[in-house]
Amino acid sequence: DSGVTQTPKHLITATGQRVTLRCSPRSGDLSVYWYQQSLDQGLQFLIQYYNGEERAKGNILERFSAQQFPDLHSELNLSSLELGDSALYFCASSVESKRALNEQFFGPGTRLTVL
Amino acid sequence: LAKTTQPISMDSYEGQEVNITCSHNNIATNDYITWYQQFPSQGPRFIIQGYKTKVTNEVASLFIPADRKSSTLSLPRVSLSDTAVYYCLVVGNYGQNFVFGPGTRLSVLP
Repeated sequence: DSGVTQTPKHLITATGQRVTLRCSPRSGDLSVYWYQQSLDQGLQFLIQYYNGEERAKGNILERFSAQQFPDLHSELNLSSLELGDSALYFCASSVESKRALNEQFFGPGTRLTVL
Repeated sequence: LAKTTQPISMDSYEGQEVNITCSHNNIATNDYITWYQQFPSQGPRFIIQGYKTKVTNEVASLFIPADRKSSTLSLPRVSLSDTAVYYCLVVGNYGQNFVFGPGTRLSVLP
């Protein structure tokens, strides 16, 4: 158990819908990262937040957005869902952000299925 | 961002030592080499990180030659439970994007 929690574990929805994935980092970790893993794309970095502020942005679509709240939990919002958005979404946390060497601790993931 | 290249897959037998090599020709001076392990339907897990020469922990060793253009993850005496995907990453001290390549799928056979 990494100490990172993600909800829900599974999510099934239809195209065009909007969903919110939630992540609670390890106690004391200020940095949260979101990743998408699909069969044909591998593990793709989406976005990183540090203490409430966006720190880095990767291959995140404009239909996706995220935020980190004062209690440090984070939410990833996916809208206008398409079939290709079906994937495992992982959240990871680390102690701090400015040093990217910090080990990232990954949550169990949310499996999103878009029908 | 330094691009990494590693074998897509490897097979081994229980009890053998496994060495997975990663190439990172354009690694920068401040970059570190980091390895993660991922089991199916689980998030990746940190294995080891190093800058140069050799690093060893309770699960693996990491060998980095002087030119740092490659690195080798060594798993001693693998077991069936070591079957997983292993990712090599090059991470800058103030780097941002963690770029996971396709990884190496290791299959440990009985």
